[in-house]
Amino acid sequence: DVKVTQSSRYLVKRTGEKVFLECVQDMDHENMFWYRQDPGLGLRLIYFSYDVKMKEKGDIPEGYSVSREKKERFSLILESASTNQTSMYLCASGTGGSRAGNTIYFGEGSWLTVV
Amino acid sequence: AQSVTQLGSHVSVSEGALVLLRCNYSSSVPPYLFWYVQYPNQGLQLLLKYTSAATLVKGINGFEAEFKKSETSFHLTKPSAHMSDAAEYFCAVSRSSNTGKLIFGQGTTLQVKP
Repeated sequence: DVKVTQSSRYLVKRTGEKVFLECVQDMDHENMFWYRQDPGLGLRLIYFSYDVKMKEKGDIPEGYSVSREKKERFSLILESASTNQTSMYLCASGTGGSRAGNTIYFGEGSWLTVV
Repeated sequence: AQSVTQLGSHVSVSEGALVLLRCNYSSSVPPYLFWYVQYPNQGLQLLLKYTSAATLVKGINGFEAEFKKSETSFHLTKPSAHMSDAAEYFCAVSRSSNTGKLIFGQGTTLQVKP
């Protein structure tokens, strides 16, 4: 089975703190994603990576950055956490190439509360 | 630009009743469409996907969806609801530019009453 593991399920951070959310996948997938989930808004793409050290901004990248130093690991960074970044964060991975119907697989999510 | 609209943020059915969750999409190119389910405190799990092979797609747990191009719809159905089907369901369309970059609908919470 594909496994996407998010290291922290629940975090509480203070405003202004730097926050790292870590994600690891074990399927040698080229593509990795960070989504944010909010009630009534569904999932919104923050960042996407299609290879090591390669990244693209998603729909809501402001206030976030990412790092992909190894193929299996994709980190989301909040440089200075703010209360409006309180949310559920979901990591996902999938195979690369031009086949747009490929499935992506999600981790269990990280609940972040910024106080 | 592509988009997805799920009609109804909450749907309530009785156990054993038909489940119908509605999804309409907008896409300038032939779409790839997905339904995902999210159980409480978990990530998303793929239920089924449409990739143009067949318009009626069967998924896991007895769910199926029919792609109707004329109606730009991809509604999810299950003939008989079970208590374990209570969850949030997301419809998504794949962006044409790259694999896996999905655009999600707002989600529909399914409640199943005994």
